[in-house]
Amino acid sequence: NAGVTQTPKFRILKIGQSMTLQCTQDMNHNYMYWYRQDPGMGLKLIYYSVGAGITDKGEVPNGYNVSRSTTEDFPLRLELAAPSQTSVYFCASSYSRQGQTEAFFGQGTRLTVV
Amino acid sequence: DQQVKQNSPSLSVQEGRISILNCDYTNSMFDYFLWYKKYPAEGPTFLISISSIKDKNEDGRFTVFLNKSAKHLSLHIVPSQPGDSAVYFCAASGNTDKLIFGTGTRLQVFP
Repeated sequence: NAGVTQTPKFRILKIGQSMTLQCTQDMNHNYMYWYRQDPGMGLKLIYYSVGAGITDKGEVPNGYNVSRSTTEDFPLRLELAAPSQTSVYFCASSYSRQGQTEAFFGQGTRLTVV
Repeated sequence: DQQVKQNSPSLSVQEGRISILNCDYTNSMFDYFLWYKKYPAEGPTFLISISSIKDKNEDGRFTVFLNKSAKHLSLHIVPSQPGDSAVYFCAASGNTDKLIFGTGTRLQVFP
């Protein structure tokens, strides 16, 4: 049972480039989330999904896009990367609403935009 | 506006003693609170939670206390062990799908 798997673990992007952060879970969870963590800060919610085909914005969605075509996968797309997007990105999933049940996190993707 | 606040960025405790990590929140609509632990280069892992209908929840060495009138919760670790050294995040949610995290407290347990 792999849990939540994120790829890649590390990436350096140049300003203006695009990339997709991959996230997949094998727990058949309906809820999936993308967070970013900046140094000395808590986790900020970027986007979330309550099921396949349904996505919604979190606290800091600007500059990102998501899709949820399957229950397992929840990729995060960065278009036109900017230095402000340098951060550690975490994907998470949960069986039901995250505030009411524990969420399982991936190991994170450390992204640097130069 | 930081709705969930962890005002102590770090805490250092001797092994065997009690660790107390504090968290304050501003939104009175929050009704569920969770603590997550994070080791370097890993994702956060769930530790313990409490709903607003309780004022205490215990799981082994970990106890969370909730004071709704003060909008304050605390995590007690007794006894503290070196393996408890990590960053601890407090998180809160109301009747939404969103979880709001605090900025974290780095706990160091020394021998």
